[in-house]
Amino acid sequence: EAGVTQFPSHSVIEKGQTVTLRCDPISGHDNLYWYRRVMGKEIKFLLHFVKESKQDESGMPNNRFLAERTGGTYSTLKVQPAELEDSGVYFCASSQGPARWDTEAFFGQGTRLTVV
Amino acid sequence: QKEVEQNSGPLSVPEGAIASLNCTYSDRGSQSFFWYRQYSGKSPELIMSIYSNGDKEDGRFTAQLNKASQYVSLLIRDSQPSDSATYLCAVRAGGSYIPTFGRGTSLIVHP
Repeated sequence: EAGVTQFPSHSVIEKGQTVTLRCDPISGHDNLYWYRRVMGKEIKFLLHFVKESKQDESGMPNNRFLAERTGGTYSTLKVQPAELEDSGVYFCASSQGPARWDTEAFFGQGTRLTVV
Repeated sequence: QKEVEQNSGPLSVPEGAIASLNCTYSDRGSQSFFWYRQYSGKSPELIMSIYSNGDKEDGRFTAQLNKASQYVSLLIRDSQPSDSATYLCAVRAGGSYIPTFGRGTSLIVHP
């Protein structure tokens, strides 16, 4: 069974450009989470989808970030325009059933974003 | 603000020794505690979860939880070089389903 996959694995863009990150959750997982880890900091929650609906987006840093999950399958996270402080590793995770971490959320390998 | 604190390390132990990783948290309402292992460039992988005070053992891993003192630890017995990784502590409050992560502790097991 395929795990959580993220594309691209690395992205280097210039400040002011737009980047779109993609996450394909494990098939059948209704819950999808985006996290971000800035260099030297902890992994921080960005938002949570249940199917196509945003359950919690309290961690989104500002309106330059837009997440979508059309059809409740894969999700995209767009950063527009990118700033230097957006650099970091963006992780996606998915879980089955109710939004409980106890059911074991699985992480993708992350997308390393570098804004120069 | 909920905080989860870990010593960033690196913690260096010889092969065969016990590695002890510690984590403290600020939210007394926390109810679920998780340890993740992350190899460089790979995804975090859940290795232990613990919900009640005391010890929980799984193979070479033992998680210890002390809610009164607000700390959770992970012991790795008979450490192997393959255990070298970053270990992330994550804590979830009772009213939330989203855990808060610490910065992680880098563990190096040398032959």
